[in-house]
Amino acid sequence: GAGVSQSPRYKVAKRGQDVALRCDPISGHVSLFWYQQALGQGPEFLTYFQNEAQLDKSGLPSDRFFAERPEGSVSTLKIQRTQQEDSAVYLCASSLAGGTSYEQYFGPGTRLTVT
Amino acid sequence: DAKTTQPPSMDCAEGRAANLPCNHSTISGNEYVYWYRQIHSQGPQYIIHGLKNNETNEMASLIITEDRKSSTLILPHATLRDTAVYYCIVIAGGYNKLIFGAGTRLAVHP
Repeated sequence: GAGVSQSPRYKVAKRGQDVALRCDPISGHVSLFWYQQALGQGPEFLTYFQNEAQLDKSGLPSDRFFAERPEGSVSTLKIQRTQQEDSAVYLCASSLAGGTSYEQYFGPGTRLTVT
Repeated sequence: DAKTTQPPSMDCAEGRAANLPCNHSTISGNEYVYWYRQIHSQGPQYIIHGLKNNETNEMASLIITEDRKSSTLILPHATLRDTAVYYCIVIAGGYNKLIFGAGTRLAVHP
């Protein structure tokens, strides 16, 4: 079946531009996560949705980062006024429900390069 | 959530078993041990998880010590496609935000 998809796969932005990254989770998955992965490091948690509710945004690095999931399915991560330190792979993951007994399924990521 | 310690890198010959250790000495009674891996340029992939008992699925086996302070992921017959970074993650109940460490970079060679 279809997995988690993300678009675009690659994005080059000039410093100061706004970008929007899209995540299509697996159909029926309640939970959706965004992670940021810098080169050579493990992914770092950004934010978590349960359906349309954003329950945890403690990992968002600044107020330039904003995420939404208005209808409880597709999610968008928006970065305003991009900076070079925002260059990273942005990963989206979904899971059937919360709790520890459900694994997360990851998309391929969007590689953002800020020049 | 408990912290984990993994060796930074390991090598394994193709066809042999790969045994990847993980220390989690501060694990709490309600915390699970999860393993994910990340093949180059792909998103992480779930492998297996467990609480107390050993677990086996089509990908791997997970051996958890009786005191739960350490575990070992076993890939019984490693192939070149198993070359990846393997992450051991310990998480408690509630929603399952993953906290990744540096992981173990496993290289499988012919």
